[in-house]
Amino acid sequence: GESVGLHLPTLSVQEGDNSIINCAYSNSASDYFIWYKQESGKGPQFIIDIRSNMDKRQGQRVTVLLNKTVKHLSLQIAATQPGDSAVYFCAERGSGNQFYFGTGTSLTVIP
Amino acid sequence: EPEVTQTPSHQVTQMGQEVILRCVPISNHLYFYWYRQILGQKVEFLVSFYNNEISEKSEIFDDQFSVERPDGSNFTLKIRSTKLEDSAMYFCASNQGLTDTQYFGPGTRLTVL
Repeated sequence: GESVGLHLPTLSVQEGDNSIINCAYSNSASDYFIWYKQESGKGPQFIIDIRSNMDKRQGQRVTVLLNKTVKHLSLQIAATQPGDSAVYFCAERGSGNQFYFGTGTSLTVIP
Repeated sequence: EPEVTQTPSHQVTQMGQEVILRCVPISNHLYFYWYRQILGQKVEFLVSFYNNEISEKSEIFDDQFSVERPDGSNFTLKIRSTKLEDSAMYFCASNQGLTDTQYFGPGTRLTVL
């Protein structure tokens, strides 16, 4: 089966600092990757995505980097705010239209 | 902004009972999904649905599970005979096209006693 994992289960950062959340995936054939944010009691919320033909994509305060050589995905959040505190998941699209999620990293922003 | 809705927010049932979880995807979306998340674990794909049929399903989605789009708005997940290990959050999601963003609903917490 597919395997998507995260390097760190928890991350604490000071407000205003940049955050980097990492993700490893196992299927070199995966063609599409997504980062989701999940706040307590809510469903996953789309943050940013990237296709396998790209290595970097930027959004508002967020950047996703894809390194296909080592099958690694990262999410960078600039100027982290208290509202960014949540669990962050990466997901990859494997065969067909199945998505595989990582276990999540809990980000805590310290005011 | 359009959103995916799910009902009920919390469902408690006895083991062996049938449950139906309901979802209303975003109206112009064509692809629909069910995921589950056991407490403290990762989100797991169950099934995707397009053009009134299942397009993908995972190993979790066995004969006890079924999905249906009974009308133009609802998308349901039925578990025929619930087991204790079916206790989880169940999320519905939808997107307009295969490569478009999936929007998730708030989830239904299923508790099997």
